[in-house]
Amino acid sequence: GAGVSQSPSNKVTEKGKDVELRCDPISGHTALYWYRQSLGQGLEFLIYFQGNSAPDKSGLPSDRFSAERTGGSVSTLTIQRTQQEDSAVYLCASRTGVGTEAFFGQGTRLTVV
Amino acid sequence: QQQVKQSPQSLIVQKGGISIINCAYENTAFDYFPWYQQFPGKGPALLIAIRPDVSEKKEGRFTISFNKSAKQFSLHIMDSQPGDSATYFCAASPSGGYQKVTFGTGTKLQVIP
Repeated sequence: GAGVSQSPSNKVTEKGKDVELRCDPISGHTALYWYRQSLGQGLEFLIYFQGNSAPDKSGLPSDRFSAERTGGSVSTLTIQRTQQEDSAVYLCASRTGVGTEAFFGQGTRLTVV
Repeated sequence: QQQVKQSPQSLIVQKGGISIINCAYENTAFDYFPWYQQFPGKGPALLIAIRPDVSEKKEGRFTISFNKSAKQFSLHIMDSQPGDSATYFCAASPSGGYQKVTFGTGTKLQVIP
């Protein structure tokens, strides 16, 4: 695609429910990142994929968070048993390699009520 | 661990003035330093980037100054315009196999007419 695509753009869920957020990176981009941006805050690193493997999962806040990437392309971020503190904008970015521009999607705004 | 420190958190500049945002890093393995611009409701977009082999890079009204020995870099926006009002993030990433991109906490810039 022309850019990084994330879906859904907005998600409202009840506390305790599971949610899946999807990221379609730019075709050919081997590196994929998930970040979380709380209201008025900076970008909190969650996880990074190189191909289908995740060399760094250190940013995942708890074991309720998981992510996978298949075929070196689409990635899903899953949040189980959502809590109100999970409310944030979840951003996905992809890049071709070392020292290159990371392109961001528009994000998924998650609201846990 | 905060590896990229950014200041100020917010900045108000008169139209036509110079906006200056500063960042400092700790990890000497970093060798790619981009700045991202984010408008409300959008994902961050690359504005300008620099590598440590140069001390300054200019693109239009935007200039990055880089001080390798001090491990500091800054963004200067000359002739600031209301359309520049956005949140700015500095970032850094290393070369080599591990490509985590670490972001600063962001600076919310408001340019007033």
